[in-house]
Amino acid sequence: QVQLQESGPRVVKPSQTLSLTCTVSGASVSSISHYWSWIRQPAGKGLEWIGRIYNSGYTNYNPSLESRVTISLGPSNNQFSLEVTSVTAADTAVYFCAREGVGGYGDGTKLFWYSDLWGRGTLITVSS
Amino acid sequence: DIQMTQSPSSLSASVGDRVTITCRASQDIRRYLAWFQQKPGKAPKALIVTASSLQSGVPSRFSGSGSGTEFTLTITNLQPEDFATYFCQQYNNLPLTFGQGTTLDIK
Repeated sequence: QVQLQESGPRVVKPSQTLSLTCTVSGASVSSISHYWSWIRQPAGKGLEWIGRIYNSGYTNYNPSLESRVTISLGPSNNQFSLEVTSVTAADTAVYFCAREGVGGYGDGTKLFWYSDLWGRGTLITVSS
Repeated sequence: DIQMTQSPSSLSASVGDRVTITCRASQDIRRYLAWFQQKPGKAPKALIVTASSLQSGVPSRFSGSGSGTEFTLTITNLQPEDFATYFCQQYNNLPLTFGQGTTLDIK
């Protein structure tokens, strides 16, 4: 049974860097069948997809956050990480890590990926 | 970005009822839409993918339909464990985007 668990400091000071790690149990982030992603949800607001990484290190980011976000594999073989720089109160949210699996095939070769498995999420507060 | 408009934002129903939740996309997403269930403190759970395909282990009282820009999630014969928040996700385009969610509670 595959599970994902977010971890990291729960409080980050404004202007500093938010760092989170997702630990995957029962699967490997080296899998060719999945992307590994981060999603967040500010209190009372909708979900926002942050970005994802493939086993090669290839990444896609949400353009709204791309200048401040880095997703990477590691530090260990079953982990991937998120960094958000120059945080403000607007970055206060529940942060989820998620796996993306194939949810369809287009035009014979293109794959479409959806968030098929999620962690429980962790509340990160930006506050001095 | 593709905007997903979900309605209603909240819904009250009774055990045994049938309910329908709608997601509308701001542009054609073909059938690349998933539905999720979320309970407080728990990981969101994928229910339906490609608009109408039930994930393994999901009860058959859940069903999805639609294509293009309009999609529905229907739950028949509501059970106590179904009272939760539901949201949709389009994955036709990056960035992936979500509906705002529908909270289903007991009447």
